[in-house]
Amino acid sequence: NAGVTQTPKFQVLKTGQSMTLQCAQDMNHEYMSWYRQDPGMGLRLIHYSVGAGITDQGEVPNGYNVSRSTTEDFPLRLLSAAPSQTSVYFCASSYGQGAPSPLHFGNGTRLTVT
Amino acid sequence: TQLLEQSPQFLSIQEGENLTVYCNSSSVFSSLQWYRQEPGEGPVLLVTVVTGGEVKKLKRLTFQFGDARKDSSLHITAAQPGDTGLYLCAAGDDKIIFGKGTRLHILP
Repeated sequence: NAGVTQTPKFQVLKTGQSMTLQCAQDMNHEYMSWYRQDPGMGLRLIHYSVGAGITDQGEVPNGYNVSRSTTEDFPLRLLSAAPSQTSVYFCASSYGQGAPSPLHFGNGTRLTVT
Repeated sequence: TQLLEQSPQFLSIQEGENLTVYCNSSSVFSSLQWYRQEPGEGPVLLVTVVTGGEVKKLKRLTFQFGDARKDSSLHITAAQPGDTGLYLCAAGDDKIIFGKGTRLHILP
């Protein structure tokens, strides 16, 4: 069972570069979300989607774009990377919106912006 | 803005001891989740509590949801080195937000 797959696992960017973090799930989940995790800050919600074609902002959306053209995929785009975006990024999916639907997480992408 | 406050932030105890960690908010939630995260991996759901006053047990872990559904606790009995990890509480009716977590280290 693949579950939630994130690529790449590691990435180093220079300030100003752009990139897309990929997230795919094979569980037919409607709800998908992106979090960033920084030391001492827990997980902070960036963007989320309740289904194909629908996205919304989370707690820290600035500097990130998302789209949801299919149920399976939910890519996260950094248009112009900044050192403040150095973090570990987690994608998650669930069958429903909000708790008590359990979130299934990928193993993360560790991003460094120099 | 809904906030989840977790305490303590760090906890280091000897194997065999008992411990309790807390998750508090000023908001009322319809349900609350606890996750555990190990290094290099994503969080994994431990339990969801739904009813005010509810108590759920998962082996040596006991989870309680406050009567007013604003707070929750996680109690571990006879902690073992395998319990080491980051414990996160999470809640939200449309989007799930997380507390900052309690980093637990069990010394053998």
